[in-house]
Amino acid sequence: GNSVTQMEGPVTLSEEAFLTINCTYTATGYPSLFWYVQYPGEGLQLLLKATKADDKGSNKGFEATYRKETTSFHLEKGSVQVSDSAVYFCALSGTGGGNKLTFGTGTQLKVEL
Amino acid sequence: DAGITQSPRHKVTETGTPVTLRCHQTENHRYMYWYRQDPGHGLRLIHYSYGVKDTDKGEVSDGYSVSRSKTEDFLLTLESATSSQTSVYFCAIGTGGGTDTQYFGPGTRLTVL
Repeated sequence: GNSVTQMEGPVTLSEEAFLTINCTYTATGYPSLFWYVQYPGEGLQLLLKATKADDKGSNKGFEATYRKETTSFHLEKGSVQVSDSAVYFCALSGTGGGNKLTFGTGTQLKVEL
Repeated sequence: DAGITQSPRHKVTETGTPVTLRCHQTENHRYMYWYRQDPGHGLRLIHYSYGVKDTDKGEVSDGYSVSRSKTEDFLLTLESATSSQTSVYFCAIGTGGGTDTQYFGPGTRLTVL
């Protein structure tokens, strides 16, 4: 079946540091890949997505590239801010009916001044 | 923001009592989903619906039932709540296409004593 593996957190960075959160996946077919972000006490918000191999999703300075050869979708940002502190989830959509999402366990990011 | 509301937002109940959570959307999306979020597991799909009266099971459906009598409402019922069902429950909506994005509600925190 489908699965998503994310790096364990929490990840603690200083403001303006470079961020990488690793995500690898196992899936049949050609799933779409997503990064969602969850701020404290809130629901999940779509951060970015990629729907086919070599696509790059980007939003708010975050980027991730769909790498089929390494089955990866790592999240990067060149300079993090305190306001980026949140939990980040990598997910893939199933290729079967219903477009069901399979999530990773989430990575908490803490950005300090 | 996608028009999704969940009610109640918080609920405390006792083991063995029935509980119903409601998800309401104003986007007229065909697909609706119920997930639960637990530490170390990310989000896991409970049930989903692909139309009025059309539902199917997800990964963790035991102990839960759902109903969808109108496009805009999707109900999740715990027939006899157990402590293992203490969790945060999220509703999501989507169009169901292969590259579709799901949009999430604000969540319901349920505690079963």
